[in-house]
Amino acid sequence: DIQMTQSPSSLSASVGDRVTITCQASQDIYNYLSWYQQKPGKAPKLLIYDASNLETGVPSRFSGSGSGTDFTFTINSLQPEDIATYYCQQYDNLPLTFGGGTKVEIE
Amino acid sequence: EVQLVESGGGLIQPGGSLRLSCAASGFTVSSNYMTWVRQAPGKGLEWVSIIYSGDTTYYGDSVKGRFTISRDKSKNTLYLQMNSLRAEDTAVYYCARDQSGLGWKRGFDPWGQGTLVTVSS
Repeated sequence: DIQMTQSPSSLSASVGDRVTITCQASQDIYNYLSWYQQKPGKAPKLLIYDASNLETGVPSRFSGSGSGTDFTFTINSLQPEDIATYYCQQYDNLPLTFGGGTKVEIE
Repeated sequence: EVQLVESGGGLIQPGGSLRLSCAASGFTVSSNYMTWVRQAPGKGLEWVSIIYSGDTTYYGDSVKGRFTISRDKSKNTLYLQMNSLRAEDTAVYYCARDQSGLGWKRGFDPWGQGTLVTVSS
């Protein structure tokens, strides 16, 4: 199984800050990676697929990059509504696997 | 508008069975890749199962042999039959469309609202 290691597990930042989350795969997954946002009590929401493609309707302050084993998710100018837990997910191989999540809070 | 609505969760004793339903609107379940993902209380996301075109199915190791994914074209509904339930199956279960089946984009979207399954005596 492909292990997805996400870091940090939590972070606190100020409104307007740039926030970066990393996700490392245990083997090459090319660009077969998605990022999801999950707010408390809600279903996850797709933000980015194929490592860097922004899902329709997602604000442009969200972005993703990387390929192979190392990936980065960035929120440019953190907004109060971005408070959530973010997950990466690989879909190169079954079983599909998620990272452990990163909880983003406002300072 | 594309939408998924789950139902069928509840409290069930260990060893029991439960069937979850996921009704779709705005798209056809039978012509899409569909998946189940679960989330134990306070924990992260865990992929459970997927059904591809031609009804090819795959399962996570933790549910293989106990859970069965299926779909009903006439009802435009996805199902998850869960047998031999264990305490560790307690979770919110989400259904989602895997956009890989669309051919031009990927990722899980949309998601249902989730249904809670509690396995306890």
